[in-house]
Amino acid sequence: SQQGEEDPQALSIQEGENATMNCSYKTSINNLQWYRQNSGRGLVHLILIRSNEREKHSGRLRVTLDTSKKSSSLLITASRAADTASYFCATDAYPTSGTYKYIFGTGTRLKVLA
Amino acid sequence: DGGITQSPKYLFRKEGQNVTLSCEQNLNHDAMYWYRQDPGQGLRLIYYSQIVNDFQKGDIAEGYSVSREKKESFPLTVTSAQKNPTAFYLCASSDWEGDYNEQFFGPGTRLTVL
Repeated sequence: SQQGEEDPQALSIQEGENATMNCSYKTSINNLQWYRQNSGRGLVHLILIRSNEREKHSGRLRVTLDTSKKSSSLLITASRAADTASYFCATDAYPTSGTYKYIFGTGTRLKVLA
Repeated sequence: DGGITQSPKYLFRKEGQNVTLSCEQNLNHDAMYWYRQDPGQGLRLIYYSQIVNDFQKGDIAEGYSVSREKKESFPLTVTSAQKNPTAFYLCASSDWEGDYNEQFFGPGTRLTVL
């Protein structure tokens, strides 16, 4: 399996601080997505970044992509207790993209302390 | 209300029994997926289907079977051949948006083998 890996595996911060998590992957991609999972629930899509983009913003989320290093980072600014969740990156299985198949990373468990 | 549903939420099975997990979507998506998630781990792809009456094995298909007779339904059967079936099972659906697909997840089914 060409699963991506998130780093760190777990992160604990105080409310109001920024949280940064990283994702590394192994193959060339067309795009990369970040998802969030609250404990015991399904995943929810947060943001997508294409391989020709370097940075993208959505509210308090900032995603960067470095295709030369095969890595991405997700920054959550001014974190809140409600941001406590696991965060996963997902990459399309290029060069077989077009098959609807994505590969999910191992996840970062974020805990925001009030 | 558009969405993807899974039932039951919790399922208990005795060793040696087959069990079927339900997944239904009313999003009119072509593609559907089954993932397995073990505690503290990422998602591993079991099976996926891009169109009705067609499905492909994922990374860990052994001991599982699926069918896709209707666009809105993608049931997963966990057979007695699956050696370690206790896990959290997530179903997802998506549609091709040109160069990516955003996956919509159900709430999951937690299967426990007694």
